Amino acid sequence: QSALTQPRSVSGSPGQSVTISCTGTSSNVGGYNYVSWYQQHPGKAPKLMIYDVSKWPSGVPDRFSGSKSGNTASLTISGLQAEDEADYYCCSYAGSYTWVFGGGTQLTVL
Amino acid sequence: EVQLVESGGGLVQPGGSLRLSCAASGFTFSSNSMNWVRQAPGKGLEWVSYISASSSTVHYADFVKGRFTISRDSAKSTLHLQMNSLRAEDTAVYYCARAAVVTDWYFDLWGHGTLVTVSS
Repeated sequence: QSALTQPRSVSGSPGQSVTISCTGTSSNVGGYNYVSWYQQHPGKAPKLMIYDVSKWPSGVPDRFSGSKSGNTASLTISGLQAEDEADYYCCSYAGSYTWVFGGGTQLTVL
Repeated sequence: EVQLVESGGGLVQPGGSLRLSCAASGFTFSSNSMNWVRQAPGKGLEWVSYISASSSTVHYADFVKGRFTISRDSAKSTLHLQMNSLRAEDTAVYYCARAAVVTDWYFDLWGHGTLVTVSS
């Protein structure tokens, strides 16, 4: 399976909102409501931020929100904070107990 | 503390083998499916392999099929990845990742990773 398509980078100023897109196919993003998003700071392990397209794990602020339309999922971060600067990866279940990740998006808080 | 700790990485020559381990603690390991996910230097995340809670179901990404074997020892709360016929392109940090207990479809806990370098 080819990787899901994400923008290489996005940026925003503190307090603003940014949206990261994640485009797949009907075999992954479009076929299942099992898109998750992960935050990764440099040298650190990934951290789950959103699961099942739009649900929050315990401890993740509701500034982070997820959605999906067709074959494209999106992560929106509102009220940007300096600590949000990180790499973000989308991931989709792709059937038969396989998963596919996006290439990652580097978020810069200006 | 709920955590996953990987070990077993290192430098290996092309064609060689390596066995990774992931020690789980702070939760009931036998209740969760588990995965291996890797990240080549400066690159993105890549799912590698899945094993169900009972070990009855295993799956692999096409690029490791036939070379890697995932297994688990629930008595020791440990996940393993046996890697054979290693190639330069297998060089990466390997993370173990826990699937959520209610559903297998996302990874709710990650280890810190162990670096595998395949080079002569």
